[in-house]
Amino acid sequence: DQQVKQNSPSLSVQEGRISILNCDYTNSMFDYFLWYKKYPAEGPTFLISISSIKDKNEDGRFTVFLNKSAKHLSLHIVPSQPGDSAVYFCAAPPAGGTSYGKLTFGQGTILTVHP
Amino acid sequence: NAGVMQNPRHLVRRRGQEARLRCSPMKGHSHVYWYRQLPEEGLKFMVYLQKENIIDESGMPKERFSAEFPKEGPSILRIQQVVRGDSAAYFCASSPQGNSGNTIYFGEGSWLTVV
Repeated sequence: DQQVKQNSPSLSVQEGRISILNCDYTNSMFDYFLWYKKYPAEGPTFLISISSIKDKNEDGRFTVFLNKSAKHLSLHIVPSQPGDSAVYFCAAPPAGGTSYGKLTFGQGTILTVHP
Repeated sequence: NAGVMQNPRHLVRRRGQEARLRCSPMKGHSHVYWYRQLPEEGLKFMVYLQKENIIDESGMPKERFSAEFPKEGPSILRIQQVVRGDSAAYFCASSPQGNSGNTIYFGEGSWLTVV
């Protein structure tokens, strides 16, 4: 049962343009979402998060949008840079804030930013 | 302040042997999480431990897998009688407490190859 889904395995973008990574979820009880970035042979690193009480959270070039009615979130990277090339995972902990370390991850999207 | 340290980074085992993966959490962190990433998939939660306690092992396979986090020393994920399907990247993460929001830090992973 894939509760968090990233349906696009890969995305290719030109440097300077916007990258939009999408994530859908099925569990309406999820109330917090995170995006992680992962380079090959390294562990995931936290990028940005959003609580379900918000519909947008921005941090520099990264913005996450949450559409609760559609059970959809997206990560926007503007402008995209070659160093952003990595695998991006969306993730959600169990509802209620009892165990933020027990994350359900999507399958990941490989972002390639071309110079 | 050293990050989450995992070793070995790469481990090759023959079918039927045992694999032991070690994880030293960040200084001051008392909560450890193990995840597994199979090829072409996202990370899957395995187990959540505090010192000397298993808090949640709902993601652990029922047989051959065990985890511990002793009072002294690193957390250990042990896989007995390994099979080819155990080949994966195993990631450890730590946090200062279980409900710490985005402050879960991943190590660089241990890659297990079963031949």
